[in-house]
Amino acid sequence: GAVVSQHPSWVICKSGTSVKIECRSLDFQATTMFWYRQFPKQSLMLMATSNEGSKATYEQGVEKDKFLINHASLTLSTLTVTSAHPEDSSFYICSALVLGDRSQSYEQYFGPGTRLTVT
Amino acid sequence: GQNIDQPTEMTATEGAIVQINCTYQTSGFNGLFWYQQHAGEAPTFLSYNVLDGLEEKGRFSSFLSRSKGYSYLLLKELQMKDSASYLCAPPGGGSYIPTFGRGTSLIVHP
Repeated sequence: GAVVSQHPSWVICKSGTSVKIECRSLDFQATTMFWYRQFPKQSLMLMATSNEGSKATYEQGVEKDKFLINHASLTLSTLTVTSAHPEDSSFYICSALVLGDRSQSYEQYFGPGTRLTVT
Repeated sequence: GQNIDQPTEMTATEGAIVQINCTYQTSGFNGLFWYQQHAGEAPTFLSYNVLDGLEEKGRFSSFLSRSKGYSYLLLKELQMKDSASYLCAPPGGGSYIPTFGRGTSLIVHP
């Protein structure tokens, strides 16, 4: 299957600082990527849809000025958590949808995730 | 939006077969995804069903009935490494983007 990487895999930062997370599609081009967040023992929550060359589409309740998304190329999307606070500590995961082998089929591949801890 | 109903937890014995059921309600249907997620890791894609019927892929099979809003994931020849959460994710609202519930935590014991 397709490979999606994320960097860094974990990061610890101080409250008030900004953190950038990179998501790369390694062996395919991804015009659309997705950013999710998952708190312990909770479900994955979609934050935004990242489209190459255009503005991201944010889900209701997600602050676009706080979670900056840039999808500048077909293989790279970045999520920047600005002015991070302890409540932003979470597991951030990106993914990309690719067309499957069969008609009308999709496959979604996730990156390994980035664990953010804000102190 | 969509409502997803899966059992919270299931246990099974190594070598056995287990079926994880999922019922959903969604406004607009664009297929249904199943994922496996081990603790502390990102989900792994297992299957995508858009037509009714059974899709088999090795030890894992997924079934879909669109008219009943029902799907199941069938795991055969269970192994200890299959202990994980299994997420049923139907896109909805005219979108193809999967949305997730808490999933079913499967515990496989010797």
